[in-house]
Amino acid sequence: GQSLEQPSEVTAVEGAIVQINCTYQTSGFYGLSWYQQHDGGAPTFLSYNGLDGLEETGRFSSFLSRSDSYGYLLLQELQMKDSASYFCAVRDKGQNFVFGPGTRLSVLP
Amino acid sequence: EAGVTQFPSHSVIEKGQTVTLRCDPISGHDNLYWYRRVMGKEIKFLLHFVKESKQDESGMPNNRFLAERTGGTYSTLKVQPAELEDSGVYFCASSPTKALPGANVLTFGAGSRLTVL
Repeated sequence: GQSLEQPSEVTAVEGAIVQINCTYQTSGFYGLSWYQQHDGGAPTFLSYNGLDGLEETGRFSSFLSRSDSYGYLLLQELQMKDSASYFCAVRDKGQNFVFGPGTRLSVLP
Repeated sequence: EAGVTQFPSHSVIEKGQTVTLRCDPISGHDNLYWYRRVMGKEIKFLLHFVKESKQDESGMPNNRFLAERTGGTYSTLKVQPAELEDSGVYFCASSPTKALPGANVLTFGAGSRLTVL
């Protein structure tokens, strides 16, 4: 089975940098994804790491260390619109995706 | 390209009644997933179809839930009879087969909010 852990809440101010960590225990691992969900909305894809290292997409970056079963999402130059829930998700061999419990990010002015 | 479409957007039923949720994935996406989010908590996996076959249904809570994907196109999720704890938002997502670009990206529908009274 799959087990993922994330902090439940993170608070930061506009313009700051925040890192959301994700640790996982899996019976099979093929990659780590990150999704953003605003209240009342659908989860939307942010990034995917299949190999170790850093992936950068604009203000967002994601990192994976398979040997440590650990990854993180880094959000830079925070904006008010970044207030949302962020989920890490593990992909297994069967192309199933299991989501973590989610981290609620609050960005303050 | 049309996105993932779910219907209804909101359903309010009484305990013991039946509800059927429908999901139309992105055309050509072999993979179709059902998830549920309850009270702002985790996005819980329910099941995964590859075309019309159930790849993994380990997340289905019990036999009151029945999912089908006839012909490998749209899918339905029936809850019969509904219980109070079934309330939540049911999300459908789809992705291309693993050999294609975008295979690691789930595209979600807007969700179907189910309220059981």
